[in-house]
Amino acid sequence: NAGVTQTPKFQVLKTGQSMTLQCAQDMNHNSMYWYRQDPGMGLRLIYYSASEGTTDKGEVPNGYNVSRLNKREFSLRLESAAPSQTSVYFCASRGKGYDTQYFGPGTRLTVL
Amino acid sequence: GQQVMQIPQYQHVQEGEDFTTYCNSSTTLSNIQWYKQRPGGHPVFLIQLVKSGEVKKQKRLTFQFGEAKKNSSLHITATQTTDVGTYFCAGPGSNTGKLIFGQGTTLQVKP
Repeated sequence: NAGVTQTPKFQVLKTGQSMTLQCAQDMNHNSMYWYRQDPGMGLRLIYYSASEGTTDKGEVPNGYNVSRLNKREFSLRLESAAPSQTSVYFCASRGKGYDTQYFGPGTRLTVL
Repeated sequence: GQQVMQIPQYQHVQEGEDFTTYCNSSTTLSNIQWYKQRPGGHPVFLIQLVKSGEVKKQKRLTFQFGEAKKNSSLHITATQTTDVGTYFCAGPGSNTGKLIFGQGTTLQVKP
């Protein structure tokens, strides 16, 4: 039982490049989330998916797109990376009927 | 919109001293959760408080939920270097399934 996994762990992009961050959970959770964490800003919600087939914007969705591929996987795509998207990205999941979220190890992204 | 505020943002203590972080919500919460993030790590769930005035303990950590269910605190007695990290409180958002996180309190412990 790996919990929540994320790939890659580290990534360096040039401005304008695109990439997809992958997230998968093996806990049969319905809800999944993408956060970004910047110094002094705490955790800010980018997008979330309450269940397979649904996605909704969070607090800071601009510049990102998401896909809930199936119940296990929730990906985050940067179409044209900008230096302001340099951050640590965390994926999380939550079981139905519970509030507790379980986080992946994070992806540390630098955009030059 | 709904906000969760945490103070202080940073705290440096000498090993063995006590530490407290405070969390305040702009709205009444059905529950409040606390998470710990070690340096370079990811947030890990510590505890959930549900009842008004609830107090829970985990070894040297004491968690309280206010009577009005709008504030909470985490108190660590006799800090150790293993307590280093950032502590976040979080409450359910108005939309089902979302958590609103405080900005976190980063604790440094000098040995």
